[in-house]
Amino acid sequence: SQTIHQWPATLVQPVGSPLSLECTVEGTSNPNLYWYRQAAGRGLQLLFYSVGIGQISSEVPQNLSASRPQDRQFILSSKKLLLSDSGFYLCAWSSRGGHEQYFGPGTRLTVT
Amino acid sequence: DQQVKQNSPSLSVQEGRISILNCDYTNSMFDYFLWYKKYPAEGPTFLISISSIKDKNEDGRFTVFLNKSAKHLSLHIVPSQPGDSAVYFCAASVRGGADGLTFGKGTHLIIQP
Repeated sequence: SQTIHQWPATLVQPVGSPLSLECTVEGTSNPNLYWYRQAAGRGLQLLFYSVGIGQISSEVPQNLSASRPQDRQFILSSKKLLLSDSGFYLCAWSSRGGHEQYFGPGTRLTVT
Repeated sequence: DQQVKQNSPSLSVQEGRISILNCDYTNSMFDYFLWYKKYPAEGPTFLISISSIKDKNEDGRFTVFLNKSAKHLSLHIVPSQPGDSAVYFCAASVRGGADGLTFGKGTHLIIQP
């Protein structure tokens, strides 16, 4: 069966510090991978998606970047965090051609 | 511009009764619709989905209805159970979904004993 991991579960970082969140998927090959953010009281906003190694598409202009160095690894980064980057970050995967996306447990990021 | 709208932030239903969660969309290009359930501090869990070529899909206690002419879908939960208390998100996708889902803001369902 497929499993998706995210770490860390919670993170408190000062403004201006760098960020690296990691997501890995097990039990599947060539997945589509996604990063979403849920801000307080809001729905989930798509940040990035990837259909293959090194292929990243960004949905909204922002202070964040994403990379996919391996087939089942997806990384969310920032060089300098802003207060507005606080939120709940979720990684998800789907199979090629599949509509259903399956989410990881999420990372709660607080920028202070 | 919010393409997927869930106009009820919260809904309270008695245990054993039917829960009906509603969702409206504006983008005619959406061809697949999904419902997710989310507990606090956890990732959303996929519940049920429906293709735009259908008007109903059923899975156990959960049924999703799609009215394309009204650009409206609903999730019915019968009978409602205490464990159903959570936030429910409606989501939609275009062209196979590879480029991500568009989510509503969610409805907090509270099942009262």
